[in-house]
Amino acid sequence: NAGVTQTPKFQVLKTGQSMTLQCAQDMNHNSMYWYRQDPGMGLRLIYYSASEGTTDKGEVPNGYNVSRLNKREFSLRLESAAPSQTSVYFCASWIGTGESAEAFFGQGTRLTVV
Amino acid sequence: LAKTTQPISMDSYEGQEVNITCSHNNIATNDYITWYQQFPSQGPRFIIQGYKTKVTNEVASLFIPADRKSSTLSLPRVSLSDTAVYYCLVGDGGTGGFKTIFGAGTRLFVKA
Repeated sequence: NAGVTQTPKFQVLKTGQSMTLQCAQDMNHNSMYWYRQDPGMGLRLIYYSASEGTTDKGEVPNGYNVSRLNKREFSLRLESAAPSQTSVYFCASWIGTGESAEAFFGQGTRLTVV
Repeated sequence: LAKTTQPISMDSYEGQEVNITCSHNNIATNDYITWYQQFPSQGPRFIIQGYKTKVTNEVASLFIPADRKSSTLSLPRVSLSDTAVYYCLVGDGGTGGFKTIFGAGTRLFVKA
């Protein structure tokens, strides 16, 4: 049982390049989320998908797009990378609501934009 | 969304009990309190969750007073491996997705 798998683990981009970060979960969760974490900071929500077929903006959506490909997969795309997008990106899937709500995180993708 | 306030950092020694308090004055009736732990270069992982009074599991205890405006995560007899960032989250999940906010967390450093 792999949980939440992110690819790639590391990536270096030049300013203006595009790329897609992949996330897949095998726990049959409905909700999937993308966060970014800058050095010494907490996690900030970029986009989330409460269920297959729906996506919504979080705190910092500018410069990103997402696709909920199916229940398992939720990808994050940077159309034109900027140095300000240098960060560690985490994908998470959430199970339950209220008392039973819990997030499961991937290992992260460390992205550097030069 | 209820905002949380935690100490930025704490130091402790091995074997001591560590208590990290989180303030959430605007907590709503339906909100639960959840704590996550994050090691360097890893994603956060769930530690404990509660609604009121006291919750205990194999890792930690969570104390929530009657007014629920704060909560305290208690780690018994910490070891070096407990050095991590601890996040306090408040939210209710709901049916539309969990727009829970992770603040900066509390950096716990355990010394030998």
